[in-house]
Amino acid sequence: GIQVEQSPPDLILQEGANSTLRCNFSDSVNNLQWFHQNPWGQLINLFYIPSGTKQNGRLSATTVATERYSLLYISSSQTTDSGVYFCAVEQASGGSYIPTFGRGTSLIVHP
Amino acid sequence: EAGVVQSPRYKIIEKKQPVAFWCNPISGHNTLYWYLQNLGQGPELLIRYENEEAVDDSQLPKDRFSAERLKGVDSTLKIQPAELGDSAVYLCASSLGLNKDTQYFGPGTRLTVL
Repeated sequence: GIQVEQSPPDLILQEGANSTLRCNFSDSVNNLQWFHQNPWGQLINLFYIPSGTKQNGRLSATTVATERYSLLYISSSQTTDSGVYFCAVEQASGGSYIPTFGRGTSLIVHP
Repeated sequence: EAGVVQSPRYKIIEKKQPVAFWCNPISGHNTLYWYLQNLGQGPELLIRYENEEAVDDSQLPKDRFSAERLKGVDSTLKIQPAELGDSAVYLCASSLGLNKDTQYFGPGTRLTVL
């Protein structure tokens, strides 16, 4: 099956810093999503971004499907940004679309 | 708009006992997913429904796990009998349709098997 690798696995920032999270995938995909899992375990969708660039406040994401990677940018980080960020891809396989998640990037933002 | 609802939030059982989890998706969402998440890992798909039809269940351990989605709305995931290795968080998600929209997740059910 498709491999999804996220980097870095862990990240510690001071409040106000910027960061870039990366998601590499091993094969062509039909769509890609970024999620934030807060410290209470709730997964919140951030972006549905099979290609191109999107921005939402301090967050933006870029997917370059032809080169099989996606980037999530966090600017002016806040303590509430802490948690785990997951990249999830869906690939068509025999008429089905199997969502595959990476192992995530664990982010801690200190005040 | 109400989000995805799951119950119970926590469940502790002894091994070999049965357990069931319930999910109510967002109104109008045709696609429903059940995932398993182990500590430190990303969610892993167990089964996906399009309306009442299970269309991706290759990763569901069918010897002990079963699922149903009657009338294409609520869904139940059952484990019988539970094993120690089944301890995990079970997540339900829904979306408008296949490959059309992002997934919206419920809060999950944390299962502990003793």
